[in-house]
Amino acid sequence: DTAVSQTPKYLVTQMGNDKSIKCEQNLGHDTMYWYKQDSKKFLKIMFSYNNKELIINETVPNRFSPKSPDKAHLNLHINSLELGDSAVYFCASSRRGNEQFFGPGTRLTVL
Amino acid sequence: TQLLEQSPQFLSIQEGENLTVYCNSSSVFSSLQWYRQEPGEGPVLLVTVVTGGEVKKLKRLTFQFGDARKDSSLHITAAQPGDTGLYLCAGAWAPGRRALTFGSGTRLQVQP
Repeated sequence: DTAVSQTPKYLVTQMGNDKSIKCEQNLGHDTMYWYKQDSKKFLKIMFSYNNKELIINETVPNRFSPKSPDKAHLNLHINSLELGDSAVYFCASSRRGNEQFFGPGTRLTVL
Repeated sequence: TQLLEQSPQFLSIQEGENLTVYCNSSSVFSSLQWYRQEPGEGPVLLVTVVTGGEVKKLKRLTFQFGDARKDSSLHITAAQPGDTGLYLCAGAWAPGRRALTFGSGTRLQVQP
């Protein structure tokens, strides 16, 4: 009965590669988010989609491209990965209000 | 940029002790939430406070929203090892803005 799920849980890759992280929520929420948590545990919003429309894009390099095929899915594609992209990426969802439900995270390591 | 500063950053205490974690900002928030995050997992919502001066209790946890809605505190009474984790405050600085601004986090360790 997973509410917000992400795949993969761990991702180890070389610099310069392109990778994708997938997120799905079965809560019926209309808004989904991507957050990045750095090594100091600081959690920062990257993108937000409401009903498949991008509503927040927080000065993220354009190597990062979110895609929402439907309200239940929000994927994150990253081109030309850099060392500084290493972090834990969290997907979250909410319904109208701000109570957000987070996925378990994807730990990305760029070598 | 709306920033949320949390203090202390780290706290290691013995089981049974009380503690308070603070979350401060120069900005006014329409609502503020507290989350707890355990290793390898995503943050889990503990409480949402909306009204200035509001106090909410969750078992041994007491949350307060400042009168001016710029700060908040989390007080834990008689801490237990199960309270160990990363505590994050998060503010919504405008009604309708769905993304949250997260605080810098407080890592709490409760020793048995």
